[in-house]
Amino acid sequence: EAGVTQFPSHSVIEKGQTVTLRCDPISGHDNLYWYRRVMGKEIKFLLHFVKESKQDESGMPNNRFLAERTGGTYSTLKVQPAELEDSGVYFCASSAWTGTYEQYFGPGTRLTVT
Amino acid sequence: EDKVVQSPLSLVVHEGDTVTLNCSYEVTNFRSLLWYKQEKKAPTFLFMLTSSGIEKKSGRLSSILDKKELFSILNITATQTGDSAVYLCAVEQRGGGATNKLIFGTGTLLAVQP
Repeated sequence: EAGVTQFPSHSVIEKGQTVTLRCDPISGHDNLYWYRRVMGKEIKFLLHFVKESKQDESGMPNNRFLAERTGGTYSTLKVQPAELEDSGVYFCASSAWTGTYEQYFGPGTRLTVT
Repeated sequence: EDKVVQSPLSLVVHEGDTVTLNCSYEVTNFRSLLWYKQEKKAPTFLFMLTSSGIEKKSGRLSSILDKKELFSILNITATQTGDSAVYLCAVEQRGGGATNKLIFGTGTLLAVQP
């Protein structure tokens, strides 16, 4: 069974540019989460989808961040315009709707804003 | 404020040693505690603990939760160089609606020397 995949693995952009990160969850997982780790800090929650519906986006830093999950499969996280403080590793995780709900993580996208 | 604290921050041991990693937490609406191992990319799931005093084991790894004292330990016996990684502790917080977000500690960096 394929795990959570993320694309790209690394992105380097200039301040003011736009970047779109993609996450493909484990097939059949309705729950999809985005997290972020900035330098030297712990991993922090950004938002949660159930299928295509946003359940909680309380961790989104500001309105420069936009997440979508059209069709309830893969998700995108767009940062527009990017700022220096957006640099970090963006993780996606997915979990099943039933059972023990443990979250499985993708390898992350390292975003560097220069 | 909700927080998860891991100790030690880093640890160097020799192959064959036994190590104990600590995780204490102060998190409202606790649902479960999870341990992950992160080598290079994706944090990989190790254990999910929901009940006090019940040890979970997987090979040389074991973990237990104390919900009264609000901590968990992860034990690794007969360490091998392949155990070298960052070990992450996360508390699953039951949120509004369907969201159960993870609150992470900063991790313990374990280095196992031959």
